[in-house]
Amino acid sequence: AQSVTQLDSQVPVFEEAPVELRCNYSSSVSVYLFWYVQYPNQGLQLLLKYLSGSTLVKGINGFEAEFNKSQTSFHLRKPSVHISDTAEYFCAVSDRGGGNKLTFGTGTQLKVEL
Amino acid sequence: KAGVTQTPRYLIKTRGQQVTLSCSPISGHRSVSWYQQTPGQGLQFLFEYFSETQRNKGNFPGRFSGRQFSNSRSEMNVSTLELGDSALYLCASSSGQDSPLHFGNGTRLTVT
Repeated sequence: AQSVTQLDSQVPVFEEAPVELRCNYSSSVSVYLFWYVQYPNQGLQLLLKYLSGSTLVKGINGFEAEFNKSQTSFHLRKPSVHISDTAEYFCAVSDRGGGNKLTFGTGTQLKVEL
Repeated sequence: KAGVTQTPRYLIKTRGQQVTLSCSPISGHRSVSWYQQTPGQGLQFLFEYFSETQRNKGNFPGRFSGRQFSNSRSEMNVSTLELGDSALYLCASSSGQDSPLHFGNGTRLTVT
């Protein structure tokens, strides 16, 4: 069984400051890792994914994440946030070869303030 | 390319009734997955269909069912609705196994 832990339910940050949203996962098999963003009253939008290869993954809107196998982490970072980044962010994991069944974390609400 | 389309956007039903939600995937995508999102349980996987066959199923009671048509469009049905079924139901499509999911904006179901 897999699980995803997002320890921070809310992260307040000032505009133009850096931010890190934490994600840890647990799985007995090799996994794919994802970060999704959800704006109010909308579905989920893929920010970035780790399938294989380089452990540093760059995504849309200036976000990046680093896969750390030894720490089973996949933290999301952005060097300088904007008001428009205010949204809920979800980390997700799926088994390699397990189809499209994703296990999601509970989400982190990022609130960017002026 | 048009995105994933879910209809209706909002739905209000009474306990005991049944409901059918519809999802049109991105053109060319053959995999459709369904997720339930609630404040208490978060995002939970319901089921996945690929080429009209159910490929994966989550831990939901049999009241939750789905199907996929030959044009890849999918429907999910919930029978004998309960208050706890109130949720945002999200559909996602992908071009194949292990390909990223593209989500629709969801159907918000309220059961009274």
